[in-house]
Amino acid sequence: DQQVKQNSPSLSVQEGRISILNCDYTNSMFDYFLWYKKYPAEGPTFLISISSIKDKNEDGRFTVFLNKSAKHLSLHIVPSQPGDSAVYFCAARGNNDMRFGAGTRLTVKP
Amino acid sequence: DGGITQSPKYLFRKEGQNVTLSCEQNLNHDAMYWYRQDPGQGLRLIYYSQIVNDFQKGDIAEGYSVSREKKESFPLTVTSAQKNPTAFYLCASSIDRQIGRGNTIYFGEGSWLTVV
Repeated sequence: DQQVKQNSPSLSVQEGRISILNCDYTNSMFDYFLWYKKYPAEGPTFLISISSIKDKNEDGRFTVFLNKSAKHLSLHIVPSQPGDSAVYFCAARGNNDMRFGAGTRLTVKP
Repeated sequence: DGGITQSPKYLFRKEGQNVTLSCEQNLNHDAMYWYRQDPGQGLRLIYYSQIVNDFQKGDIAEGYSVSREKKESFPLTVTSAQKNPTAFYLCASSIDRQIGRGNTIYFGEGSWLTVV
């Protein structure tokens, strides 16, 4: 059962534009959400997180938005750079357990 | 450099053979994990360990075994009982199991296992 879903397997954007990666979850017990970034041949690395008591968290070019009523979160990257090209995983914590989405492959074209 | 080291990076196994994937961390983390990734699916938890000499089954433990004799090491054995072992395996660690602000999961680079 996939409690965390990333419905877009891939996304392509032009350099300088905004990238929006989406994530939906089904378990209302999730209270902490994370985004990880993965380059080829490397393990995922932590990017940004948000607690369920907030609706927005910003770190430089990266902003995560949380809509609890819709059970939806999104990662915005502005402006997008070619070095942002990677697979992005959404993850959620609940009941001392972590669930991961399948990932979205972002390609930023120069 | 602190981190998680997985080996081997690529491994081929014949059907019916057991194979062990190594995972070592020098982050002084108590919690360690093994995940499996298949195309189009999220990372699925195989086993986790919160402390030395203790480990618990995750969602897909059947056909796998682990040990945690040292804090730094959490090897995963893929046994012949695992019906579909070809996958990408990720080892991870965290300070403890309470993931949150100041405590995220760190991953190794992964091991590709192919059954031939």
